[in-house]
Amino acid sequence: QVQLLLSVAEVKKPGASVKVSCKASGYTFTDYYIHWVRQAPGHGLEWMGWINPHNGGTVYAQKFQAWVTMTRDTSISTAYMELSRLTSDDTAVYYCARGLHGDGFDIWGQGTMFTVSS
Amino acid sequence: DIQMTQSPSSLSASVGDRATITCRASQDIRNDLGWYQQKPGKAPKRLIYAASTLQSGVPSRFSGSGSGTEFTLTINSLQPEDFATYFCLQHNSYPLTFGGGTKVEIK
Repeated sequence: QVQLLLSVAEVKKPGASVKVSCKASGYTFTDYYIHWVRQAPGHGLEWMGWINPHNGGTVYAQKFQAWVTMTRDTSISTAYMELSRLTSDDTAVYYCARGLHGDGFDIWGQGTMFTVSS
Repeated sequence: DIQMTQSPSSLSASVGDRATITCRASQDIRNDLGWYQQKPGKAPKRLIYAASTLQSGVPSRFSGSGSGTEFTLTINSLQPEDFATYFCLQHNSYPLTFGGGTKVEIK
C-alpha cells in the first residue's frame, strides 16, 4: 500500500543542521509532490513547502525560505528536508505528505520528532 | 496568509451523537479545502477533499459541506473509533494553512 516512512527521531544541538528523510513506497514517486509540515509542542500545524520529485522544483513558505532546503533522490524514492541553524523553536514533529499540484494531501507519513537542545 | 479559524477547539459527545465542526477562511478559498482525522502517534488521514467529496474508504457518516469562506465537517452517529482530533487544510493559496484542530472526546 502507499506509504511514506520518515527517518527516526533525533536530538540536535542549537546551531546544527538536520536532514529528515521521507521514503515513499507503493506508488510512482515522481507522480506526486512531497510536502513538509511541522507541529511544535502546543502549536498548530505549519506548512513548510513542497518539492516536485519529477524535476526537483520547490516552493517554500516564506517563513522558512532562509533556512530550509528540500531535495530528493528518485533512485530510492526518497525526499529530504534539511533545516539549518537550528534553534529550540525548531523542536517539533515533522511530517511529510504527498499531494497533486493544486490539491491537498492524500497520504501522510507518521511523523518524526526532533528536539533541539543543548 | 489565509487564516483558518476552526471551532470548537474541543467537544464532548456520546457514541451515536452527531458532531459538527466548522472552519472559516479569512478570504474566499472556493472549495479548496480538506478535512483530516488524526489519532495520537498516527499519520493524519484525509476524510474529505474538495470541501465535500468523501475520500475513498471513509465511512459515509462523515460528510463535508461549504464553499467560499465557511466549511463544515459533520460526523453522523459517532462511533468509538471516531474520537480523535480533526483539522482542516486550505490549499487555495500559499502558504497552505491549517485550522487549529478540534479534539472530539467521549462524554
